[in-house]
Amino acid sequence: DTEVTQTPKHLVMGMTNKKSLKCEQHMGHRAMYWYKQKAKKPPELMFVYSYEKLSINESVPSRFSPECPNSSLLNLHLHALQPEDSALYLCASSQGPRLAGPDTQYFGPGTRLTVL
Amino acid sequence: GEDVEQSLFLSVREGDSSVINCTYTDSSSTYLYWYKQEPGAGLQLLTYIFSNMDMKQDQRLTVLLNKKDKHLSLRIADTQTGDSAIYFCAALGYYGQNFVFGPGTRLSVLP
Repeated sequence: DTEVTQTPKHLVMGMTNKKSLKCEQHMGHRAMYWYKQKAKKPPELMFVYSYEKLSINESVPSRFSPECPNSSLLNLHLHALQPEDSALYLCASSQGPRLAGPDTQYFGPGTRLTVL
Repeated sequence: GEDVEQSLFLSVREGDSSVINCTYTDSSSTYLYWYKQEPGAGLQLLTYIFSNMDMKQDQRLTVLLNKKDKHLSLRIADTQTGDSAIYFCAALGYYGQNFVFGPGTRLSVLP
């Protein structure tokens, strides 16, 4: 099973709202990722959690706040977003840093976010 | 840093072979990947190749790697309309978990 699930599938929010995106995997992976993808563009890395600790933050604005409550779950808390934050938000997971072999990332279906 | 390039569009006729090309700049990239993305969906892992391999075949998919020229290609045999999608090449660096994605190639399969 190489499934990563994300909820909700679609989300529409106003600029003053607070909402959260959720991601879950049950593959025993120890690394989880958030990506942002604009239309006709490749995914852009936002955050990486490795063994439930934030290891990479790609200079993401503080209106995006990630959280990793346990090794299977990854949340992205959203507050005071701007219309330009509208995008497809993808979650991915991988086994985590290892001495040999690829650290292949498996992606979820994404959450389509629209900020009004 | 790593830079990954791909041609943006490719059109083929159903039943023909498709070849999608990718170039990368960092010779220390350890693994090179191909992902497929259908409209409104996430990225589906198709295949990957280790940097010391020249070729990998998986059913209709053949990956060729020219490490000297830093050139990767994905050949899809007997292309079907269901293969219409965006195909992303991605390089995994030596030290980390960071993928560097190419811009994606939009494959259109004509009946």
